[in-house]
Amino acid sequence: GQQLNQSPQSMFIQEGEDVSMNCTSSSIFNTWLWYKQEPGEGPVLLIALYKAGELTSNGRLTAQFGITRKDSFLNISASIPSDVGIYFCAGQLYSGGSNYKLTFGKGTLLTVNP
Amino acid sequence: SAVISQKPSRDICQRGTSLTIQCQVDSQVTMMFWYRQQPGQSLTLIATANQGSEATYESGFVIDKFPISRPNLTFSTLTVSNMSPEDSSIYLCSVPIYREDTQYFGPGTRLTVL
Repeated sequence: GQQLNQSPQSMFIQEGEDVSMNCTSSSIFNTWLWYKQEPGEGPVLLIALYKAGELTSNGRLTAQFGITRKDSFLNISASIPSDVGIYFCAGQLYSGGSNYKLTFGKGTLLTVNP
Repeated sequence: SAVISQKPSRDICQRGTSLTIQCQVDSQVTMMFWYRQQPGQSLTLIATANQGSEATYESGFVIDKFPISRPNLTFSTLTVSNMSPEDSSIYLCSVPIYREDTQYFGPGTRLTVL
């Protein structure tokens, strides 16, 4: 089956620093999604990417859909303590009908020191 | 987007018992997904719940262990049957939003089996 390699597994940074994380896949996806999960909560959608090469921002977050459709990165600028959480990438491959299954990366645990 | 609620938010259960988890969505959706997130791990799809038909299970998950109901377009239940400590996980439901080509998640049910 499809697999997503997400890196790094964890990051410890100082408040104000920029963060970058990425995902690569062995096969292509139609859509890349980035989620953030905080303790005791479900994943919350941050950014959705639909086209190869697309660059999208959401506040201090910027994500890009790789030109080969097999990779994506997420950048967080000027990190703040509330950015703490686990960030997941997810690839979505539409395979006809109502089939919208997601494949998730293993997550990047972000810790921000004030 | 979609507003999704789950009940219970958490539970502690004895080995050999069963727990039914409810998922309620604020709009009608054709498909609902159930995921499992084992401690420190990513999300794994258990099954797709379709209204009016049997759920479709992913490899490694069977109906006898995880029976699913989908009585209408806004509600679904997942039962974790004959539980063992290995079933201790967060169970999440999600719904696809086709016009956005995304998926939204409920807050999850944290299950601990003693």
